Amino acid sequence: AQKITQTQPGMFVQEKEAVTLDCTYDTSDQSYGLFWYKQPSSGEMIFLIYQGSYDEQNATEGRYSLNFQKARKSANLVISASQLGDSAMYFCAMRETIQGAQKLVFGQGTRLTINP
Amino acid sequence: NAGVMQNPRHLVRRRGQEARLRCSPMKGHSHVYWYRQLPEEGLKFMVYLQKENIIDESGMPKERFSAEFPKEGPSILRIQQVVRGDSAAYFCASSQRQSVFGETQYFGPGTRLLVL
Repeated sequence: AQKITQTQPGMFVQEKEAVTLDCTYDTSDQSYGLFWYKQPSSGEMIFLIYQGSYDEQNATEGRYSLNFQKARKSANLVISASQLGDSAMYFCAMRETIQGAQKLVFGQGTRLTINP
Repeated sequence: NAGVMQNPRHLVRRRGQEARLRCSPMKGHSHVYWYRQLPEEGLKFMVYLQKENIIDESGMPKERFSAEFPKEGPSILRIQQVVRGDSAAYFCASSQRQSVFGETQYFGPGTRLLVL
């Protein structure tokens, strides 16, 4: 079984600072995908960024980048130049691929608060 | 291009009633997933469907819960004889296809079910 661990229940950051949200995973699969989603107070789940296990370069999407360290099984999300609108819950997830199963396993989430 | 649609956004039921949650995937997507989110928790996989087929229902409770994705129309998650513990946010996601590494799943806005 796969497992996702987010060790930071809450983070408080000053506006315009960079922030790193931690995510470690546990899997015996060789091929897997890692995802980050944002859930603002309105409740929807917004896809942010994806990293494939065989991707040699870290994924980047605008102000979001994924610090992928395969040997350490970590996939931390880095948000540069944080904005007030970044305040939300952030979930790390892994695609489970055992026996054709196609589902996401989520961590418990990190609540990020950006202070003005 | 419309995203994943879910309705209703909010649903209130009394114990013992039935709840029907609907999900229309993004245009061109034929894979649908249902997840449940309890308060202050991450999302938990329930079921994965393709048109007219349940592919993986390993996350579905054995009783009272059922899902379908007919040839025509939206996917339906049905909860019979609801209990207070069913109160949660139910998210639907869709993807275009499956791949070894994982196709990105795009989420709908969710249905908040409250059982009185």
